[in-house]
Amino acid sequence: AQSVSQHNHHVILSEAASLELGCNYSYGGTVNLFWYVQYPGQHLQLLLKYFSGDPLVKGIKGFEAEFIKSKFSFNLRKPSVQWSDTAEYFCAVNPNTGGFKTIFGAGTRLFVKA
Amino acid sequence: EAGVVQSPRYKIIEKKQPVAFWCNPISGHNTLYWYLQNLGQGPELLIRYENEEAVDDSQLPKDRFSAERLKGVDSTLKIQPAELGDSAVYLCASSPEGQSGETQYFGPGTRLLVL
Repeated sequence: AQSVSQHNHHVILSEAASLELGCNYSYGGTVNLFWYVQYPGQHLQLLLKYFSGDPLVKGIKGFEAEFIKSKFSFNLRKPSVQWSDTAEYFCAVNPNTGGFKTIFGAGTRLFVKA
Repeated sequence: EAGVVQSPRYKIIEKKQPVAFWCNPISGHNTLYWYLQNLGQGPELLIRYENEEAVDDSQLPKDRFSAERLKGVDSTLKIQPAELGDSAVYLCASSPEGQSGETQYFGPGTRLLVL
């Protein structure tokens, strides 16, 4: 069965620290990859996505993610986090075949200390 | 443009009681999703509609859960009877065409507590 693994359930950083959140998936075919974010009290919303082309994807608020096909990974990065980045981050995978069912990871809660 | 609307936002019921959740997707979005999110987990798909047709309901526990999207716009998800383990957040999302790679737009969710 397809699955998405996020390496850390909780991450605590100080402002200006660099961030990397790991995401690995299990699916052998072509996939579309997403990072969604849920800020406190808000809806889940798209942060960035990859579906083809340049494996380094840039999203909103200075986030980027790199798709490494050989490692089945799609890690999220930000060079310098801000207090306002405190949120829960979900990696999601959608096979590029019939069905298009999106599988979400369990999420990583990021706390940024001011 | 209005986002995905869900109601109620919170619901507390006793076990064995019925409960219903309502969702109105973004105008013009053909695809509607219902997800279940347990505490500490990511969303899990319950059912996906393309217009009024349920195209993926393989994860919907059909003995107690039902859903409808009669006119291909808003949708209702029902649980009857509710069990303690149904306590969770029920998310609705929509997307324009339901194609792979499309962004899904989520509502605020309904937080259900079954006592």
